[in-house]
Amino acid sequence: GDSVTQMEGPVTLSEEAFLTINCTYTATGYPSLFWYVQYPGEGLQLLLKATKADDKGSNKGFEATYRKETTSFHLEKGSVQVSDSAVYFCALSDRGGTSYDKVIFGPGTSLSVIP
Amino acid sequence: GAVVSQHPSRVICKSGTSVKIECRSLDFQATTMFWYRQFPKQSLMLMATSNEGSKATYEQGVEKDKFLINHASLTLSTLTVTSAHPEDSSFYICSNSEAFFGQGTRLTVV
Repeated sequence: GDSVTQMEGPVTLSEEAFLTINCTYTATGYPSLFWYVQYPGEGLQLLLKATKADDKGSNKGFEATYRKETTSFHLEKGSVQVSDSAVYFCALSDRGGTSYDKVIFGPGTSLSVIP
Repeated sequence: GAVVSQHPSRVICKSGTSVKIECRSLDFQATTMFWYRQFPKQSLMLMATSNEGSKATYEQGVEKDKFLINHASLTLSTLTVTSAHPEDSSFYICSNSEAFFGQGTRLTVV
């Protein structure tokens, strides 16, 4: 079945460092790809998404590009802040018609940014 | 975006009692909603798919008699944990079919 793999961390960076979190996926179809962020004790926030090959999702300085040839969706940010400390989940979902199916998650990557 | 509101955010209950969790899709009519469970420091695993006006579909290993799902309208799905036990303590979170998630519910059974 479909699956998502991502670097598990924990990742510790200094403020203003460059961030990359690698994510690769396996899918039989042509899924949409997502990055979610979970702050301690909270739910999931959709950070960005991409629905087709070469699409770039971006939000709050984070970016990820849907690479079908390498089945990847790596998350990047040029300069992290302490407030970016959270767990980041790469995920996929098939879209059938007007709605998404279940979301399949990677294991999550814990990021800590130190001042 | 399609906002999802989940309530309560935290609940503590005694072993043997039942707890109901509500999930509302506020600006999107969702014929399908999803319930997930997350153990500490782990990822989210799908428990069941909630279908408006019909029975829920449960993932393998999830007891449908223990985790009762009702989806009576296009905007509300509920998950009831029946006869809760300490091993049911977990973080439960729902989503609508636009891949937006609620705030989650931290259930602690004592």
